[in-house]
Amino acid sequence: EADIYQTPRYLVIGTGKKITLECSQTMGHDKMYWYQQDPGMELHLIHYSYGVNSTEKGDLSSESTVSRIRTEHFPLTLESARPSHTSQYLCASSERVPYNEQFFGPGTRLTVL
Amino acid sequence: AQSVTQLGSHVSVSEGALVLLRCNYSSSVPPYLFWYVQYPNQGLQLLLKYTSAATLVKGINGFEAEFKKSETSFHLTKPSAHMSDAAEYFCAVTLGSGNTGKLIFGQGTTLQVKP
Repeated sequence: EADIYQTPRYLVIGTGKKITLECSQTMGHDKMYWYQQDPGMELHLIHYSYGVNSTEKGDLSSESTVSRIRTEHFPLTLESARPSHTSQYLCASSERVPYNEQFFGPGTRLTVL
Repeated sequence: AQSVTQLGSHVSVSEGALVLLRCNYSSSVPPYLFWYVQYPNQGLQLLLKYTSAATLVKGINGFEAEFKKSETSFHLTKPSAHMSDAAEYFCAVTLGSGNTGKLIFGQGTTLQVKP
């Protein structure tokens, strides 16, 4: 079944740890996105990719980094987690054309102590 | 530049009552518009989309929205609210084909349904 997956769903980690949030999609989409969302708040785009080896920073500055080595995989990495990184992270993908309808994963809720 | 404004961060209705969630957009070119729903601790699910075909768009779970160019609006409605409709709703706009593909989201509206 074509879908978009995120792991882990929940992560509680201490300050200074390196973490990677996984995102995979089986829809064959070229475009992928990472959003950051605080509880009850709007979504902020932090990274996006148009295809393999293509990554761009989004509208909200983030200390995280991303990579796109395979079409279906778009992981997000924090080299040194801090309490300010506590948030929900949502991954999405979309078709190339024409409407850019985005499909979202279930999200990862990150808590940094 | 594109933008989306959702009027009312919280809307409360009684079960069985009309649901109306407001969305106004700003775009220099004809937009594509979306409504998404987010249940607690989940990602966003597409409710419906406007892609310049019919101005009245029907979506899932009995929701519909009407594109009104003269009012730059894309309000979401449902004739009769159900308890399961309680969630966060986001309106979004994109330029569509040929652009970056980014969606511009509104700030969201929390819908509360009272028994």
